[in-house]
Formats: sequence, C-alpha cells, structure tokens
Amino acid sequence: GAGVSQSPRYKVTKRGQDVALRCDPISGHVSLYWYRQALGQGPEFLTYFNYEAQQDKSGLPNDRFSAERPEGSISTLTIQRTEQRDSAMYRCASSPGPANYGYTFGSGTRLTVV
Amino acid sequence: GESVGLHLPTLSVQEGDNSIINCAYSNSASDYFIWYKQESGKGPQFIIDIRSNMDKRQGQRVTVLLNKTVKHLSLQIAATQPGDSAVYFCAVSSGNTGKLIFGQGTTLQVKP
Repeated sequence: GAGVSQSPRYKVTKRGQDVALRCDPISGHVSLYWYRQALGQGPEFLTYFNYEAQQDKSGLPNDRFSAERPEGSISTLTIQRTEQRDSAMYRCASSPGPANYGYTFGSGTRLTVV
Repeated sequence: GESVGLHLPTLSVQEGDNSIINCAYSNSASDYFIWYKQESGKGPQFIIDIRSNMDKRQGQRVTVLLNKTVKHLSLQIAATQPGDSAVYFCAVSSGNTGKLIFGQGTTLQVKP
C-alpha cells in the first residue's frame, strides 16, 4: 500500500482480555518494527522483523506480549491478559531493508484498557 | 542503559526566525542519528539523518549537526514556518541493530 496501515485505529478492552493489533507495512518493505508511545513521550522500541524472522524482541515488556509476521508482510502484536498499564499508542513502522532507519510510521493503534 | 535527552521540552520562535533543537545522547558507540517530526494525531515523520562519520548534513531548510566529542546532536530549521509547528524527536542507534532509542521530544511553537 501507499503507507503503513494499522488497525484498529482505536481499541478499548477490559482488563484481562487479549487484544491483537495489526500492521500492514508498505509493500515490499523488508523490515517491520513495533514501538509503543506514551502520551508526551518518544516511541519506545518493542520488537522488529526482517522478512518473517523476529530479529530482536528485547523491548517486549513481559511474556504477555508477543508478535509475529508469518509471511513476511502483515504483522500482529498480541497482548494477553491486558492490564491498565498496557494502555498506550502502539505504532508500527516499516523500512525497505535491514537497518534502514528511515522508517515510515503508521498512524498507530490507541489501546485503552479499562 | 542508553539514554537520549532533549534540552528543552518546548521552544517558541517567531515565524521567519531560525530554530535550533538540541539533543544529547549517552552511548559513545551510537553511530546513527535521526530526527523525526510528529504532528498532532500522526505518526513520526522522517526529517533527516546523519551517520557518525559525518558532522554535518543539510537538507531542505534543515541541517543536522553532530558533535561526537560531547555526544550532542542538533537540528536547525531555517526560516521557520507555521507548518513546522510539531513535536521533534531525536533518535539514535548503534551497530545496525534496527532499534532506535528516542528522546522525549521538543515541542516547537511558531508564532505568527
């Protein structure tokens, strides 16, 4: 597509529920990144993929968070047993190749856990 | 751990003046530096980048300066326009890890 597409745009969920956030990168982009951005803060790295391989997941806060990119295109970030502290903007970005940092960010998914 | 910080949370400038936004980083092994602009309700947008083998790089109305000795990075915007009003983030990386460490952001306000 023309840009990085994320869905849903907004997600309100009850504490304890699982959520899945979707990212559709720019067509042909090899690398895909997940970040989390709190209000008034810079994005915080979560994980990234080159093709379908998860290269670094050191930023995932705990084992309730996981991500996959099974066919090297669309990626899903899953949060199990959500907690209120998980509330944030989750941003996906993609780039043409590994370590090309001129990412294109998506508009994000605003997650609110109530 | 590695940190990236901006010197001022808010910068207010007159339209037409030049703006300078400063950033400090902690990791001397950082070798890639990038500035993003984020407008309200949107994702960060790439402005300009620089690698550690350079100390200056110019784009259209923007210049990035890198001082590795004091681990300092700055973004200069010439002839600031109302459309430049946004939050500006610096980010750094090291060793082609694919991971960017972002600073907290400086809000640039342009007065007409």
